[in-house]
Amino acid sequence: GENVEQHPSTLSVQEGDSAVIKCTYSDSASNYFPWYKQELGKGPQLIIDIRSNVGEKKDQRIAVTLNKTAKHFSLHITETQPEDSAVYFCAAYYNQGGKLIFGQGTELSVKP
Amino acid sequence: NAGVMQNPRHLVRRRGQEARLRCSPMKGHSHVYWYRQLPEEGLKFMVYLQKENIIDESGMPKERFSAEFPKEGPSILRIQQVVRGDSAAYFCASSLLDWDTGELFFGEGSRLTVL
Repeated sequence: GENVEQHPSTLSVQEGDSAVIKCTYSDSASNYFPWYKQELGKGPQLIIDIRSNVGEKKDQRIAVTLNKTAKHFSLHITETQPEDSAVYFCAAYYNQGGKLIFGQGTELSVKP
Repeated sequence: NAGVMQNPRHLVRRRGQEARLRCSPMKGHSHVYWYRQLPEEGLKFMVYLQKENIIDESGMPKERFSAEFPKEGPSILRIQQVVRGDSAAYFCASSLLDWDTGELFFGEGSRLTVL
């Protein structure tokens, strides 16, 4: 079935600490895994993505890792800042039907 | 290049009325997706459309909900005889013709409140 599980649902860190959000997916055929950031009252914005032929990708303070064997992928944010506070969604692209299935979201709070 | 445009941003309807939500994809994008977000919940897939075709509507309720993406004009998500449980944010996203990239660009959403 089409399912993406995301943990934790809420995460509170001190400014400067790291934050890690984890997701698992069910379809071994999935090959594209984006992460979206949603600020209050706004639409989701793509922040980083990874494809199945890559194990890790980094963009400044944000990195994503992918373990295809275990069907896990994770978002890592280092040196967190208050403006990183938002809801983060992982997603997996299901070729059958051609659509993104989203995780439940993680509300990240970075305390100054 | 304008992003995905949705309107109205906020819509209030009484039970039994109809709601129409519109979405204009990014320029050059011919794939449109509608997602629903209930308060403090994730994004639930509803329907995937290409011009004049519904590709996947597996996430859309069988009754009262319909979607279209005509050859000309925006995509429309229509909810007939709304009920309180339809209150949610409805997000539209679009992607390029070469959707193997998988990248979806989202609009700001339409927030429906049913009284």
